[in-house]
Amino acid sequence: DVKVTQSSRYLVKRTGEKVFLECVQDMDHENMFWYRQDPGLGLRLIYFSYDVKMKEKGDIPEGYSVSREKKERFSLILESASTNQTSMYLCASSRLGQGVGYTFGSGTRLTVV
Amino acid sequence: AQSVTQPDIHITVSEGASLELRCNYSYGATPYLFWYVQSPGQGLQLLLKYFSGDTLVQGIKGFEAEFKRSQSSFNLRKPSVHWSDAAEYFCAVGDLRTNAGKSTFGDGTTLTVKP
Repeated sequence: DVKVTQSSRYLVKRTGEKVFLECVQDMDHENMFWYRQDPGLGLRLIYFSYDVKMKEKGDIPEGYSVSREKKERFSLILESASTNQTSMYLCASSRLGQGVGYTFGSGTRLTVV
Repeated sequence: AQSVTQPDIHITVSEGASLELRCNYSYGATPYLFWYVQSPGQGLQLLLKYFSGDTLVQGIKGFEAEFKRSQSSFNLRKPSVHWSDAAEYFCAVGDLRTNAGKSTFGDGTTLTVKP
């Protein structure tokens, strides 16, 4: 089975901490994405990457950064966690090109206290 | 900018009844369109997709969707719902302007299935 694996299902962090969310895919996909999901707001794109070391801002990049040093791994970094970053974070990957659809990980539920 | 509207936040149907979930999109050309399903506590799973060709597309789990250009709609249907179909459903539109395959998602429709 092809997979997108997010390293943690649940995380609790303190305000001001630097937080790393890790995502690994085993499908040799070029594209990788980070979304956050909040009730009533659907999925909002934070950052995406279409190649190693390449990244582009999504719709809500403020307070976040990303790293893609290897093709299979895409990390989301919260530089200084805040309570309004409490959310479900979803990683996805897809082949290069349009219209191919995403494969999602199971999500990381982050709580910032 | 592209956008997706799912007019129904929550739908309840009886097991065995038919289902239709609505999706309207805004895009300048023929878009890539997708439906995903999310079971509680899980990530999203792709049900089906459309870009061109036959406007009625078949997906997994017995779902189908029909693209209607004149109505800017891509509604998801299932003739007979099973209790295991209870989940949240997301419609998405793909961005054709880049090769990155970025998608914009609707806010989702939660489906409850009554016994």
